[in-house]
Amino acid sequence: GEDVEQSLFLSVREGDSSVINCTYTDSSSTYLYWYKQEPGAGLQLLTYIFSNMDMKQDQRLTVLLNKKDKHLSLRIADTQTGDSAIYFCAESTPLIKAAGNKLTFGGGTRVLVKP
Amino acid sequence: DGGITQSPKYLFRKEGQNVTLSCEQNLNHDAMYWYRQDPGQGLRLIYYSQIVNDFQKGDIAEGYSVSREKKESFPLTVTSAQKNPTAFYLCASSISFSDTEAFFGQGTRLTVV
Repeated sequence: GEDVEQSLFLSVREGDSSVINCTYTDSSSTYLYWYKQEPGAGLQLLTYIFSNMDMKQDQRLTVLLNKKDKHLSLRIADTQTGDSAIYFCAESTPLIKAAGNKLTFGGGTRVLVKP
Repeated sequence: DGGITQSPKYLFRKEGQNVTLSCEQNLNHDAMYWYRQDPGQGLRLIYYSQIVNDFQKGDIAEGYSVSREKKESFPLTVTSAQKNPTAFYLCASSISFSDTEAFFGQGTRLTVV
């Protein structure tokens, strides 16, 4: 089955690094994603990683994937107050009854950046 | 500008009424999705459509209905059969159903009064 777990809350000081963790259970995941949601808004795709990679860096964002442990993390360097939001990880897994893939989301981690 | 537009942003409904949420995209995407978000929970898939004139039930389709008569439009109807409809509803699209890099609308917050 598919299940994606995240911690609920993270508090960090402005300028420090944030690390948001995610675990998943479906070993057939093809892509793993990080989305950001600001209050009252939709989800914004931040970055993604293909399941055969172990690291991806994109400016202040670093994604680490440990496929053996089914663990995904997002590191935000030099965290700013504008980074305060809810962050969702999601895995893409093949559908059972139809061609194609589906996204399964974690419950989201609320990140609060303190000045 | 290309994107996904959901309307209205806020919607109030009396118990026992059906209500339709609009979702329009001009990205020329084949696949479209409806998700429901409850506080502290991840997104749960209600319905999805791989291509025009086709749609399939997601994980929590009961009490909802959709149509896909045009590529650009994927409206969601929340029927009176939905027992707990108050939630934040998000529409998304992707180039194709095999491509799960989804782009999201800004959401509609539905409140039953």
